[in-house]
Amino acid sequence: DSGVTQTPKHLITATGQRVTLRCSPRSGDLSVYWYQQSLDQGLQFLIQYYNGEERAKGNILERFSAQQFPDLHSELNLSSLELGDSALYFCASSVEGPPGTGELFFGEGSRLTVL
Amino acid sequence: AQTVTQSQPEMSVQEAETVTLSCTYDTSENNYYLFWYKQPPSRQMILVIRQEAYKQQNATENRFSVNFQKAAKSFSLKISDSQLGDTAMYFCALVFRDNYGQNFVFGPGTRLSVLP
Repeated sequence: DSGVTQTPKHLITATGQRVTLRCSPRSGDLSVYWYQQSLDQGLQFLIQYYNGEERAKGNILERFSAQQFPDLHSELNLSSLELGDSALYFCASSVEGPPGTGELFFGEGSRLTVL
Repeated sequence: AQTVTQSQPEMSVQEAETVTLSCTYDTSENNYYLFWYKQPPSRQMILVIRQEAYKQQNATENRFSVNFQKAAKSFSLKISDSQLGDTAMYFCALVFRDNYGQNFVFGPGTRLSVLP
C-alpha cells in the first residue's frame, strides 16, 4: 500500500460526458502528480501541483483540468470525453526538499472507459 | 532537455536466469536520482530500486541490482534468478530538481516476460 488513494477505481461513461477523478496523497506529501497511461503505453505526464499551486504542466488537453485543495487532495476533471480518453489515470505524490528522496508514490489508478 | 531512453521494448527470460534491462538518459543536471519502477499486470506502479547520482556504488535490492555508469549516462537493471512474478513492464526514471521543484522523466518502458 503506497498510501496514495484514488477514487473511483473503475469508471465507464459515454462520449461527451464529464468525470472527476479524485486523489488523496500520502500523509505529509505536498506534491501531487497526474499521469495518463493508455493501453500498453508509457506514462504521459499531465500536471503537477505543489501545496495547492500548479507547478508544472505536461501534455494535458484543454478539456482536462485539475486542482489541489487546501487539504492537499487533488481532483482531475475530464470533460467532453472522447473514445481516445479511455486510459488508466494515475495520481502520485512525493516528498520534496531535504530529506526527500525523490521517490514517487503511485496510487492504484482510475481506469476510465469511454464508450 | 532531459530524456530517458529504453531501447528494448520487449524482452523475455527463462525462469531462474539473469536478464539486464537497458536505460540511457541525458541531463545537464549534476544532482539527480535514477529509479526503476515495475508495473505488473495489476498495473500498480512499484519502486524497484533507486540510485543517487552522487553515489558511485551501485544500488542493490535483493535480486535486483543496477549498473550505473555516470559518464556514459547509463543505468541498467539486472534481475538475477528471474521469477514468474517479475513479469512486468519496467520503467526507468530520471528525477531532478529545478527552480520550480522536483521533476520526473520516465522512459517508454520495457516489457519483460519471464518464461517457465
